[in-house]
Amino acid sequence: GNSVTQMEGPVTLSEEAFLTINCTYTATGYPSLFWYVQYPGEGLQLLLKATKADDKGSNKGFEATYRKETTSFHLEKGSVQVSDSAVYFCALRINSGAGSYQLTFGKGTKLSVIP
Amino acid sequence: NAGVTQTPKFRVLKTGQSMTLLCAQDMNHEYMYWYRQDPGMGLRLIHYSVGEGTTAKGEVPDGYNVSRLKKQNFLLGLESAAPSQTSVYFCASSYRQGWNTEAFFGQGTRLTVV
Repeated sequence: GNSVTQMEGPVTLSEEAFLTINCTYTATGYPSLFWYVQYPGEGLQLLLKATKADDKGSNKGFEATYRKETTSFHLEKGSVQVSDSAVYFCALRINSGAGSYQLTFGKGTKLSVIP
Repeated sequence: NAGVTQTPKFRVLKTGQSMTLLCAQDMNHEYMYWYRQDPGMGLRLIHYSVGEGTTAKGEVPDGYNVSRLKKQNFLLGLESAAPSQTSVYFCASSYRQGWNTEAFFGQGTRLTVV
């Protein structure tokens, strides 16, 4: 089946530190990959996505590269801010059969950035 | 542009009570989804709909029913609430069922069953 594994949290960083949140996936086929972010008290928002191997998604200083050979889509940011404190979800989307394209999520990684 | 709106935002139910969660989207999306979010479990798909009048089961459908009578609305029903259904429920919609299409999420409904 399809699954997403992301690093366990919570992660606590000081402002301006470098962030990496690891994400690997298992898929029977060729998925699209996404990072969603959930700020406190809100729903999920798309942060970035990549649809084919070696694509790099980027947004708000965050980046992730679709690595087919390692089945990974790690999220990185060079200098985090307090406002980046949120829960980050890695997800994949693939044809699940009968025309169905389900989003499969990782368990989420909570990031806290302290001044 | 409201996007995806869920009502109510919070609710406390007693075991055995019933309720309906409403999701409304104003983006003319064909596809709509209901997820539940539990600590350490990520988001799990309950039911989804690929168009008006159609629904299908997701990963964790037991204890829930859904209806999509209008394209813009997707209702999630709990006929007899149980404490195991205490969770945060998210509705989402997408323009099409494409493999590279993003989903837009509502702000969630926090449900507690006592």
